[in-house]
Amino acid sequence: SAVISQKPSRDICQRGTSLTIQCQVDSQVTMMFWYRQQPGQSLTLIATANQGSEATYESGFVIDKFPISRPNLTFSTLTVSNMSPEDSSIYLCSVAGGRGKEEGNYGYTFGSGTRLTVV
Amino acid sequence: AQSVAQPEDQVNVAEGNPLTVKCTYSVSGNPYLFWYVQYPNRGLQFLLKYITGDNLVKGSYGFEAEFNKSQTSFHLKKPSALVSDSALYFCAVRDMNSNYQLIWGAGTKLIIKP
Repeated sequence: SAVISQKPSRDICQRGTSLTIQCQVDSQVTMMFWYRQQPGQSLTLIATANQGSEATYESGFVIDKFPISRPNLTFSTLTVSNMSPEDSSIYLCSVAGGRGKEEGNYGYTFGSGTRLTVV
Repeated sequence: AQSVAQPEDQVNVAEGNPLTVKCTYSVSGNPYLFWYVQYPNRGLQFLLKYITGDNLVKGSYGFEAEFNKSQTSFHLKKPSALVSDSALYFCAVRDMNSNYQLIWGAGTKLIIKP
């Protein structure tokens, strides 16, 4: 399965600033997923990022607030813009195992997460 | 609408006893089901999956899950619990109507007492 390096692991940011989270995968993957998770709670999908196309955002998440880049098949960034305390959360990236028609059949791998605190 | 339910917020089990963490699902078509575990302050780890084949699936750390199509369930089990199994467990199903997205259960906190 793929290995994901996610950075930073944690950060404390001032409100009104932006933070960019990076995920580097050790193999080429078609789709990358960005999630938000409150401690002890379930995951909420922010967006799906395909290489070479605009990210697809879920209801309640907009590109101006959470711009995503996907410059190649091994790398993606999520920016949390104009942060407020409500953005304090754990942010996770994920990729689907398998290739082509079998993508997603082999489980999904997650980065170690970015714990963001906005003060 | 497709969904996953984990009816128990928390499950308490004595060490050495068998454990079960429940999951039911509602999807159109054949489900692709997954279990993940999250230890405190750590990322999500894949435990096991059901795509097709045998209804009893064996996974990591001695866990297994039984797919029951008639009951639309995919309960996670382990014959003998360890204190180190204490963690947050998530059931998920692949959304066949979208781009390989996963639909997540709310999570079940498993506490194993010595």
